[in-house]
Amino acid sequence: DVVLTQTPLSSPVTLGQPASISCRSSESLVHSDGNTYLSWLHQRPGQPPRLLIYKISNRFSGVPDRFSGSGAGTDFTLKISRVEAEDVGVYYCMQATQFPPVWTFGQGTKVEIK
Amino acid sequence: QVQLAQSGAEVKKPGASVKVSCKASGYTFGHNYIHWVRQAPGQGLEWMAMILPGGATTSYAQNFQGRLTVTVDTSTTTLYMELSSLRSEDTALYFCARDNQAFDVWGQGTMVTVSS
Repeated sequence: DVVLTQTPLSSPVTLGQPASISCRSSESLVHSDGNTYLSWLHQRPGQPPRLLIYKISNRFSGVPDRFSGSGAGTDFTLKISRVEAEDVGVYYCMQATQFPPVWTFGQGTKVEIK
Repeated sequence: QVQLAQSGAEVKKPGASVKVSCKASGYTFGHNYIHWVRQAPGQGLEWMAMILPGGATTSYAQNFQGRLTVTVDTSTTTLYMELSSLRSEDTALYFCARDNQAFDVWGQGTMVTVSS
């Protein structure tokens, strides 16, 4: 099974400073249709996750442009250019494999303000 | 707007079953897979299963094979997740989520507590 490994697991950041989260897959995530279905989610305490980035680098509707995604193959990164107070919470990468159809999440990275 | 509204919290005894519902609205039902994901207290997200309402195609995570059933009632645009032979480790928040090239809409979550 595909394993997604996120680093770091905890990230204390200063308001206004950048933050970066890595997500490494145990195998290539390129789908047979040519797309890579790697997405990023953000979860605040007591709330369901919300989609930030899909297919590596596409910002979901309403997501601020301080969030960006990049990567290819097995290595992916989520960057926050300037952390704001509302960005605290846990960030998850997730992916889908085709055969068998299985969806996998990373362990999560907790972002908190210093 | 697109919404997934889930049923309320449940408390069950070990060995019992639980059935959680997820009512979809605000989009063309049947065109998107719906997934079920759970989150144990203080833990990460775990994918459980998916269903395509239009064709009732399903897929299950290996961990739940034989204990988990996901179904759909297209007449009411409601999805169901039933987990049987409950044990304490099944205590978790259960979510449904729509797949639109990613999990773009989530239900509010249903807390299931398994306790004797």
